[in-house]
Amino acid sequence: DQQVKQNSPSLSVQEGRISILNCDYTNSMFDYFLWYKKYPAEGPTFLISISSIKDKNEDGRFTVFLNKSAKHLSLHIVPSQPGDSAVYFCATLGGGADGLTFGKGTHLIIQP
Amino acid sequence: ETGVTQSPTHLIKTRGQQVTLRCSSQSGHNTVSWYQQALGQGPQFIFQYYREEENGRGNFPPRFSGLQFPNYSSELNVNALELDDSALYLCASRKGTREKLFFGSGTQLSVL
Repeated sequence: DQQVKQNSPSLSVQEGRISILNCDYTNSMFDYFLWYKKYPAEGPTFLISISSIKDKNEDGRFTVFLNKSAKHLSLHIVPSQPGDSAVYFCATLGGGADGLTFGKGTHLIIQP
Repeated sequence: ETGVTQSPTHLIKTRGQQVTLRCSSQSGHNTVSWYQQALGQGPQFIFQYYREEENGRGNFPPRFSGLQFPNYSSELNVNALELDDSALYLCASRKGTREKLFFGSGTQLSVL
C-alpha cells in the first residue's frame, strides 16, 4: 500500500517554462514533506522541504505548495533550466515511520 | 559532493550468500540510515542508527542487520540473499534536521 504517490513517471518541459511536479499522500500524520533530486549514478540530494503547518515554502527557483485538505503537494520550478533534468522524489517524514517514505519518482526532462 | 562514500559500487552475489556493504559518513554526522531502492521504485527505509544503536527500522526482515562505528562509518549486512534483494543500497547520514539527509552514491547489488 503506497502512502506516497507520484503518478507521473516522466514530465517533459521546455527550457524557461515552469515545471510542476505533483505528489499525493494518504497519511495525515506526516510532519514534513520533502523533495529530493537524483542524477544518474549519484545519490538523492535534498532540494526543499515544508512543514505540515505551512502551505508554501520558497527557495530561489523552487517553490513547494502543500494542500493538506487534498493531501497533495507540488513542486514548482521556474524558470526550468537544463540542469534541472533529473529524477525528483517526493518524500514524507513522520506518520509513525522512523525514516523517510519516498514516492516512486518523476523523471523531469528539460528540453532546449 | 555529500561527503558520504559507499563501497563497493557494484557487487554480484549468489542466492543464499551473505553480503556486507560499507559506508563512511561525514565527520559529526551521528545518525546514519540505509535505504533499498529497487528498479523503478523510490528508496525504501531499512533502518537507522544513532550513536551506534539501532533506533528505527522499516519493514525488513531480521536478516538485514547493521553496525555503526565511532569513526562515523557503518555497515549493512544481509544474510541468506534472495533474488529480490537485487537493488541499489543507499547510505544516508545527518547531524541535525531530520529531513535533510546526505546520501552516498549507493552500492548496486545483483543477486543471481
